[in-house]
Amino acid sequence: GAGVSQSPRYKVAKRGQDVALRCDPISGHVSLFWYQQALGQGPEFLTYFQNEAQLDKSGLPSDRFFAERPEGSVSTLKIQRTQQEDSAVYLCASSPDRTDTQYFGPGTRLTVL
Amino acid sequence: AQSVSQHNHHVILSEAASLELGCNYSYGGTVNLFWYVQYPGQHLQLLLKYFSGDPLVKGIKGFEAEFIKSKFSFNLRKPSVQWSDTAEYFCAVNARSGGYNKLIFGAGTRLAVHP
Repeated sequence: GAGVSQSPRYKVAKRGQDVALRCDPISGHVSLFWYQQALGQGPEFLTYFQNEAQLDKSGLPSDRFFAERPEGSVSTLKIQRTQQEDSAVYLCASSPDRTDTQYFGPGTRLTVL
Repeated sequence: AQSVSQHNHHVILSEAASLELGCNYSYGGTVNLFWYVQYPGQHLQLLLKYFSGDPLVKGIKGFEAEFIKSKFSFNLRKPSVQWSDTAEYFCAVNARSGGYNKLIFGAGTRLAVHP
C-alpha cells in the first residue's frame, strides 16, 4: 500500500524566505510526527499530532516554526524567515495509534542559502 | 532527559563478517526500543522493535537485538553481513510513560560492507 509521502523532496530557500513542507500520512493513521535531521545526526523530535490536535510541540526550535493538521490527515510544517541553521532534512512519520510503530516518509531536504 | 548513544559512527566490514552495533540509552523507566535502517537513497525503515517479553528480538533480514535492562543496552547483531546491508542504522528509544511514541534517536552508525 501507499506509504508516507512528503513534498517537495528538495527545497532551496534564500535566508528570510518562508517555506511550507507537506506530509501525506498513511490513510487512517491517527498519529503524525515531525522530526528534523541535521547532517550527520539522528532525527530529532519536533512535534506530534493526534488527529487534528497538536499535543506536543516541545521540539519546535523557535516560534518561526509552525505545524498544522487541520483535518486530521495531511500536515504542513511551515518555517518563517528561514535561517541557515534551519538547513536539514525534515521527516514526517505516521502511526496507526499513538504507541505503535512509526512509518517514515522520504523527507524534505531544506537548504537555506 | 532521555538520550541514546551509539558508540560506533562508522563501521567497515567484509561480507560474511559478524556485526554488532552498540546502543545505550539513559532512562530509568519502562521503554520501547527500536532499530531503524536507512539504505542509500531510501527512507527510514523499521528493522526491529522491543516492547516487552522476550529480550531477544528478531527482525527482518536476519537481524536481531538483545535488550539488557541492567546495562541499558539494545545492541544490534547479525551473524553474517551482506553487501546489501550497507546502510545507516539508528537506535531509538521511547519512554512509555509519555503516552505516545516520542522517539529519541542516536546519531546513527554508518555501515559499509565490502564484497
